Formats: sequence, structure tokens, C-alpha cells
Amino acid sequence: QQQVKQSPQSLIVQKGGISIINCAYENTAFDYFPWYQQFPGKGPALLIAIRPDVSEKKEGRFTISFNKSAKQFSLHIMDSQPGDSATYFCAASMWKLTFGGGTRVLVKP
Amino acid sequence: DAEITQSPRHKITETGRQVTLACHQTWNHNNMFWYRQDLGHGLRLIHYSYGVHDTNKGEVSDGYSVSRSNTEDLPLTLESAASSQTSVYFCASSRGGPDDEQFFGPGTRLTVL
Repeated sequence: QQQVKQSPQSLIVQKGGISIINCAYENTAFDYFPWYQQFPGKGPALLIAIRPDVSEKKEGRFTISFNKSAKQFSLHIMDSQPGDSATYFCAASMWKLTFGGGTRVLVKP
Repeated sequence: DAEITQSPRHKITETGRQVTLACHQTWNHNNMFWYRQDLGHGLRLIHYSYGVHDTNKGEVSDGYSVSRSNTEDLPLTLESAASSQTSVYFCASSRGGPDDEQFFGPGTRLTVL
């Protein structure tokens, strides 16, 4: 049973476009929601994170939107660049991380 | 610089053999984790440790074991390797709080024939 569902599995976006990745969770006890970025052949690395008492968090071109009542959160990558091509994982934490299935993002030049 | 390393980076073994994957971190982190990564499943937690001599089962722990005899190392052992355990394995560590950032190693690609 997957507690964190992530969509889409993959997406292609043109340079300068917006990439949107969505996640939904089931357990209302989760209290920390990070996003990890993974490049081929590397381990994941923390990109940005949010707590449920905040509806939005922005760091540079990356924004998390959080909807506590719907138990959904999303990652928006503004002005997508070829260097953003990677796999992105959402996660939810209650002392330990539960990851979504991942989204492979390809930004075309 | 502090880091987290995994060895070997690639391993091919046969069904039924015992395999041990090493994980070593130099941050003096209390928490260490083992995940496996499979296409479509993201990262799934195998075992984790919140300190020396502490180990806990994750969601996919069957067929795996860990032991934590010091702060720096958390080796992962596959008691009797099965083809279903072919995967990429990642070790991670974090300082100690529930929401502290997890730092991941470079991964070990394991193939069980």
C-alpha cells in the first residue's frame, strides 16, 4: 500500500516552461514534506521542504504548494532549465521518510 | 570534508549467496538508513538506526539485516540473495532530529543472477 502517491511518472517540458509534480498522502500524522532531486548515477539530495502549517514555500525557481485539507502537495519548477532534468521524489515524514514513486523530468532546450 | 560512502558501487552475485553492502559516514550522524530504489516504487526503507546498537525494520525488511556497532557504519546484509533483491541500494544519514535532512550516498547497484 503506497502511502504517498506521485504523478506524473514522467514529463517533458520546454526550456523556460513550468514543470508541475503532484503528490497525495494518506496519513494525517505526517508533519514534514520534503522534495528530493536525483541526477543519474547519484544519490537523491534535498531540494526544498515544507511543514503543514504553511501553504506555500518558495526557494528560487522552486515552489511547494501545500493543501492540508486535501492532503496534497505539489512542486512547481518555474523557468525550467536543461540542468533541471532529473528525477524528483516527494516524501512525507513522521520521524522517517516515505517516498513517492518519482517523476522523471526532461527539459528540452 | 565529511561524506557518506558506499561500497562496492557495483556487485554481481548468485542466488543464495550472502552479500554485505557497506555504508560509512563521517558526519558523526546518529541516524542511518538503508533504502532500495526500483523503477516505479521510488525509494523504500529497508532498515534504519537511531544510534549505536539500535536497529529497526522498515517497510521491506524481509531477507535483509543490519547491525550498528559504531556511529560511522551501518552494513546491510542479504542473508541469502534472491533475484527479487536486484536493485540499487542507497544508504543515508541524518543528524538526529525527526526532520533533519537526510544525506544520501552514491548507491550500490546489486545484480542477483
